[in-house]
Parts: sequence; structure tokens; C-alpha cells
Amino acid sequence: DSGVTQTPKHLITATGQRVTLRCSPRSGDLSVYWYQQSLDQGLQFLIQYYNGEERAKGNILERFSAQQFPDLHSELNLSSLELGDSALYFCASSRDRRSYNEQFFGPGTRLTVL
Amino acid sequence: GENVEQHPSTLSVQEGDSAVIKCTYSDSASNYFPWYKQELGKGPQLIIDIRSNVGEKKDQRIAVTLNKTAKHFSLHITETQPEDSAVYFCAASKGYSTLTFGKGTMLLVSP
Repeated sequence: DSGVTQTPKHLITATGQRVTLRCSPRSGDLSVYWYQQSLDQGLQFLIQYYNGEERAKGNILERFSAQQFPDLHSELNLSSLELGDSALYFCASSRDRRSYNEQFFGPGTRLTVL
Repeated sequence: GENVEQHPSTLSVQEGDSAVIKCTYSDSASNYFPWYKQELGKGPQLIIDIRSNVGEKKDQRIAVTLNKTAKHFSLHITETQPEDSAVYFCAASKGYSTLTFGKGTMLLVSP
């Protein structure tokens, strides 16, 4: 158990809908990262938040957004869902040491868009 | 930006054999190289990492080597067991920048 929690575990929804995925980082970790994993794309970095502020952006679509709250949990919002958004979504957290970036992953949310 | 290539994409070995997975990276400034193991239906789990001031690191049956000159690093698993079957990902980063992952290697260990 990495100490990172994600809810829900599974989510099934329809095209055009909006969903929210939730992540709680390990105790003491200030950074939260979101990744998308689909069969043919591997682990794609979406976005990073550090202590409530956006720090880095990856291949995140404009239909997707995220935020990190004062208690450091984070939410990833996916809107106007398309079939191609079906994937595993992982959250990871880190202490953000200056010299290296040791990330710990949660169990993921499997999103199915029908 | 950083680019990480990982080979092979699949690897089948017999129980007790050794397995080696190789990765190359493009940014010579990268200084942190973790390896993750992902079992079916679970999130990636950090199994070992190496920093650029070290050439090799061992933890029981797994080891990682780093060649900074050639910009490649490898994961070595000795005495493989069926429970080692999983997808393995390498990654690279510079300082506390985001990780760039390889595309993964599916390791299958047959009894």
C-alpha cells in the first residue's frame, strides 16, 4: 500500500458527461500528479500540483481540469467525455525533494465511457 | 524535452532465469531513474531507483545499472519467480521535474 488513495475505483458514464476523480496524497507529500494510462499510450503525464498551485502541465486536454485543495487532496475533472477518454487514471504524490522526484502511485480509477 | 525508450516490449523467461530490461534517455541532465512494477489491476509500484552519482544499486534479487556516458540504464532481475510477472516501467527526471516514462515491458515468468 503506497499510502495514496483514489476514489472511485470504477466509473462508468456516457459520452458528453462530466466526472470528478479524487486523490488523497501520502501524509506529508505536497505534490500531486495525475496520469492517464491507456493500452497503447503507456503512462501519460497530465498535470502536477504543488501545495495548491499548478506546477507543471503535460498532455492534458482543455476539457480536463484539476485542482488541489488546502488539505492537499486533489480532484481531476473530466468534461464532455468522449469514448477515447476511457482509460485508467492514476494519481501519484511526492515529497518534492530538490534533488530527485520519488513518486508513489495510487490504485487508480478505471473510467469507462459508453 | 526528455524522451525515454524501453526495450523489449515483452519478455518471457523460465522461472529461475534472469531478466534484463533496458532503457535509454535523451536529456544528459537527467539525474534520477526509478523503476516501477505494475501488476494487473493495480497502480505502479516503485521497486528500485538510482541517482546519477551512483553506477549500480542492488536490492535482493533486483539491481539497476546506470551508464551516464551512453545515457542508458537497465533493470536486472535474478532468479525470477512467477510473482515477478508484471509490466515494468522505467522513468527519468531532472531534479524535481516531472518523470518521463518508458512505454513498459511485460515480463512473463513461466513455472
